[in-house]
Amino acid sequence: QKEVEQNSGPLSVPEGAIASLNCTYSDRGSQSFFWYRQYSGKSPELIMFIYSNGDKEDGRFTAQLNKASQYVSLLIRDSQPSDSATYLCAVSGRGSTLGRLYFGRGTQLTVWP
Amino acid sequence: EAQVTQNPRYLITVTGKKLTVTCSQNMNHEYMSWYRQDPGLGLRQIYYSMNVEVTDKGDVPEGYKVSRKEKRNFPLILESPSPNQTSLYFCASSFGGTGETIQYFGAGTRLSVL
Repeated sequence: QKEVEQNSGPLSVPEGAIASLNCTYSDRGSQSFFWYRQYSGKSPELIMFIYSNGDKEDGRFTAQLNKASQYVSLLIRDSQPSDSATYLCAVSGRGSTLGRLYFGRGTQLTVWP
Repeated sequence: EAQVTQNPRYLITVTGKKLTVTCSQNMNHEYMSWYRQDPGLGLRQIYYSMNVEVTDKGDVPEGYKVSRKEKRNFPLILESPSPNQTSLYFCASSFGGTGETIQYFGAGTRLSVL
């Protein structure tokens, strides 16, 4: 059973601040990492994916991956109330489980005006 | 438009009455899966399929069946639903097989079993 752990939250930040979401995973051989955003009652939507160590930036979002520490994070700059949602970290399977995604339980983010 | 379509979106049923939730994707994806989502427990995978006629159990398969007779369709079957299967269900698909496992989700099916 692959473990994906996220900071439990909830996380509350003021508008304009940086929100930092963290995730650790148990399988050192994992190759692909994803961040999904999910609004209440809606389906998860992909916001970032990262395969290589280091940072990957897309607009206000930055994903950071450190495979040695088995750690992946998501930074949201200039947070907006519309960013209020649950953020799910997901890690891909490998070998016989290639194609599977393993999800953390999510971190609920609230951005207040 | 590329999409994963689930039906029905909402379903209320009674214990023991067989039901099927359909899932269809138009992206020619090999990989399809079913998840359930419960408060505090996150997304848990029920079953997945790597291709036609290839299915395998996920983390919570008890009480569910699936079939993959066509590439685009992956129905979820509850032969004898029970109240503990009340949940929000998502179907997802991806190309898979290469590690590039970006999964696309359907809109969800909210099931209540009385």
